[in-house]
Amino acid sequence: DAGITQSPRHKVTETGTPVTLRCHQTENHRYMYWYRQDPGHGLRLIHYSYGVKDTDKGEVSDGYSVSRSKTEDFLLTLESATSSQTSVYFCAISGTSEKLFFGSGTQLSVL
Amino acid sequence: KQEVTQIPAALSVPEGENLVLNCSFTDSAIYNLQWFRQDPGKGLTSLLLIQSSQREQTSGRLNASLDKSSGRSTLYIAASQPGDSATYLCAVRGIGGGSNYKLTFGKGTLLTVNP
Repeated sequence: DAGITQSPRHKVTETGTPVTLRCHQTENHRYMYWYRQDPGHGLRLIHYSYGVKDTDKGEVSDGYSVSRSKTEDFLLTLESATSSQTSVYFCAISGTSEKLFFGSGTQLSVL
Repeated sequence: KQEVTQIPAALSVPEGENLVLNCSFTDSAIYNLQWFRQDPGKGLTSLLLIQSSQREQTSGRLNASLDKSSGRSTLYIAASQPGDSATYLCAVRGIGGGSNYKLTFGKGTLLTVNP
């Protein structure tokens, strides 16, 4: 299995608080992605990175920011969490093979 | 905008049956297509990746085909087993730069293989 670790695995937070999710890889892959998965919507891309300090928006980026200061770490920050951001968040990575490898996910509940 | 559709949304079959899962996409200008498996509460696992220049890929009991011109892919599972029960998703990657290069996912087919 690809070396991808997401933390935390579960988090409960209150509306209006900032939240940071971390994705750590040991594969030295160039591309990293953050997706959210919701019933009825499937997987939707939030942000992605194509290198250190190189990031771009996905289709549902409002309310989220990302940072990638090292190849191995990609952080997703919810600036001020809202109930609509309750979801399962997945980090994924890809390299030269083009295959996408996913982490185990973070279940986030915003109350 | 690329749209990916998977039909049926759910499928239940008896063990040992051969089955086909379908994936269709609206824009044939794709770079590649991937099939994934997702078990409950888990992340996605890549099963097969087909480049736009290829017609099919095989891995064990799985065979994926791609007809880019008609915007269709199928995942064939031979001799299904209860352990194959999972949600299967397909995803296409566009060509060109910017947003075209990202994956678009279908919503998946929930497969149940009954012993």
